Amino acid sequence: NAGVTQTPKFHILKIGQSMTLQCTQDMNHNYMYWYRQDPGMGLKLIYYSVGAGITDKGEVPNGYNVSRSTTEDFPLRLELAAPSQTSVYFCASSQDKRAYEQYFGPGTRLTVT
Amino acid sequence: SQKIEQNSEALNIQEGKTATLTCNYTNYSPAYLQWYRQDPGRGPVFLLLIRENEKEKRKERLKVTFDTTLKQSLFHITASQPADSATYLCALEVGSNYQLIWGAGTKLIIKP
Repeated sequence: NAGVTQTPKFHILKIGQSMTLQCTQDMNHNYMYWYRQDPGMGLKLIYYSVGAGITDKGEVPNGYNVSRSTTEDFPLRLELAAPSQTSVYFCASSQDKRAYEQYFGPGTRLTVT
Repeated sequence: SQKIEQNSEALNIQEGKTATLTCNYTNYSPAYLQWYRQDPGRGPVFLLLIRENEKEKRKERLKVTFDTTLKQSLFHITASQPADSATYLCALEVGSNYQLIWGAGTKLIIKP
């Protein structure tokens, strides 16, 4: 049982390029989330999904897109990367939304230069 | 404005003592509050959840209190060990979607 896996672990992106961060969970969780974590700041929710085919914006969705074609996968797409998107990105999943713990992946450290 | 505050300065505690971390919030009415541990280069790991009508929750050496009048949660680690050194994050469940709003975390250092 691998839990939540993310790839890549590290990446350097040039300004204006695009890329997809991958996230997979094997716990059959309906709820999945993408967060970014910046130094000295709390985790910020980018997008979340309540099940395959259903996604919604979080607190900081601008510059990102998501899709959820299967229960297991929840990729995050960065379009036209900007230096402000330099951050550590975490994917998480939970069994339900209320009073349920979230399980996190190991994170992707992304630098945009 | 709405905000969550955790001590931004690292907390240094002698091994064997009790470590107490604070999470204060304003202008939220959370139904639940969660605590997570985060080690360098890793994702957060869930520790405890406490409901608004619970005053205290325990798990082994960990204890969480939740005072909705003071808008504060305290997280205690008793008989602390160097392996407890990590950053501890609090998160509030708010809104109809029960989204988690996160504090920035407090770095705890347990010295042998």
